[in-house]
Amino acid sequence: DQQVKQNSPSLSVQEGRISILNCDYTNSMFDYFLWYKKYPAEGPTFLISISSIKDKNEDGRFTVFLNKSAKHLSLHIVPSQPGDSAVYFCAFITGGGNKLTFGTGTQLKVEL
Amino acid sequence: DGGITQSPKYLFRKEGQNVTLSCEQNLNHDAMYWYRQDPGQGLRLIYYSQIVNDFQKGDIAEGYSVSREKKESFPLTVTSAQKNPTAFYLCASQGLNTEAFFGQGTRLTVV
Repeated sequence: DQQVKQNSPSLSVQEGRISILNCDYTNSMFDYFLWYKKYPAEGPTFLISISSIKDKNEDGRFTVFLNKSAKHLSLHIVPSQPGDSAVYFCAFITGGGNKLTFGTGTQLKVEL
Repeated sequence: DGGITQSPKYLFRKEGQNVTLSCEQNLNHDAMYWYRQDPGQGLRLIYYSQIVNDFQKGDIAEGYSVSREKKESFPLTVTSAQKNPTAFYLCASQGLNTEAFFGQGTRLTVV
């Protein structure tokens, strides 16, 4: 039972443009949402998070949007840079516990 | 420095052998996790522990075992019962409702 889906396995964007990565979930018990970035052969690194009581959180070039009614999470990167090329995972924490569930990942490629 | 450390970075195992992957953290986090990543796939949860001396199976626990005797340590044993053990293994630790911090991973190859 796949509770978290990132329907786009890959995304290609030109440098300077906006990258939009999407994530859909089915479990309404999730109450904390995160985005991670991963380079090959390395551990993921934390990017940005949002709690269920908010609908937007911004940190520099990164903005996370949460639409609870649609059970949809998105990450906007603007402007996109070549160093942003990596795999991006959305992740969720269930309320009352610490179980961390990841999406399947989206490979972002930022082209010059 | 505070952080989470996995060792070794590369590990080779003969078929039929058990092997243990180490994960240590000094972040004082209660929760620790083991994930597996296969080429082109996401992170799949093997086991997780929310407190010392307690752990739960994740989505793909078969063929694996763990222990949590100390808060700082969460070793993962890949047993001979695991049919496809070759993968990249990631350990993480997490405080309550905060982001998880990951180690650098262990690449296990069965030869």
